[in-house]
Amino acid sequence: AQKVTQAQTEISVVEKEDVTLDCVYETRDTTYYLFWYKQPPSGELVFLIRRNSFDEQNEISGRYSWNFQKSTSSFNFTITASQVVDSAVYFCALSSNFGSQGNLIFGKGTKLSVKP
Amino acid sequence: GAVVSQHPSWVICKSGTSVKIECRSLDFQATTMFWYRQFPKQSLMLMATSNEGSKATYEQGVEKDKFLINHASLTLSTLTVTSAHPEDSSFYICSARSLGNQPQHFGDGTRLSIL
Repeated sequence: AQKVTQAQTEISVVEKEDVTLDCVYETRDTTYYLFWYKQPPSGELVFLIRRNSFDEQNEISGRYSWNFQKSTSSFNFTITASQVVDSAVYFCALSSNFGSQGNLIFGKGTKLSVKP
Repeated sequence: GAVVSQHPSWVICKSGTSVKIECRSLDFQATTMFWYRQFPKQSLMLMATSNEGSKATYEQGVEKDKFLINHASLTLSTLTVTSAHPEDSSFYICSARSLGNQPQHFGDGTRLSIL
């Protein structure tokens, strides 16, 4: 079975704090993709990153960084020096079935509130 | 690139009405389109997957006669909520992908409110 767990339902931080959003996944496939999406209050899904299962290199993009560890089946997301505009719901997602439909399985999301 | 347009963005209608939501890929050919549903404060749940020219594959528990999906061309898929009732009120989001292992690109979603 495939599953994505985001244990943190809501996180509240003060601006400029660093925050890490956790994501743990389950899959029996050896080839898969992991994603992070941001959903602001307006509702649209904003794509942040896609990582394939063969690439365990951590990635940094501005204030965002991702830590992929296959040994613990985790794909955590860190926002450095958070800003009010980072307030949103963040979803981690998994896509397996390499080369086929590629359905996305979403976690339940973590609501991040960044207060000024 | 890879823009997906979803229309309308907001619909309010009476119970018993049928509502059609369009999902268009504007700058690529979408071999596969997905329809998701999201209740307030919950995650996105896949409703169905459609391939151009084929019947949609529905997830368990999704009524195919209630949620009609048509994917007649490589750039357009439609979701029709037939005889909508208040419990169908939700946020519906489509996504589209081209061939191979390209990522899904999402539309901006449609808020459906049935009175």
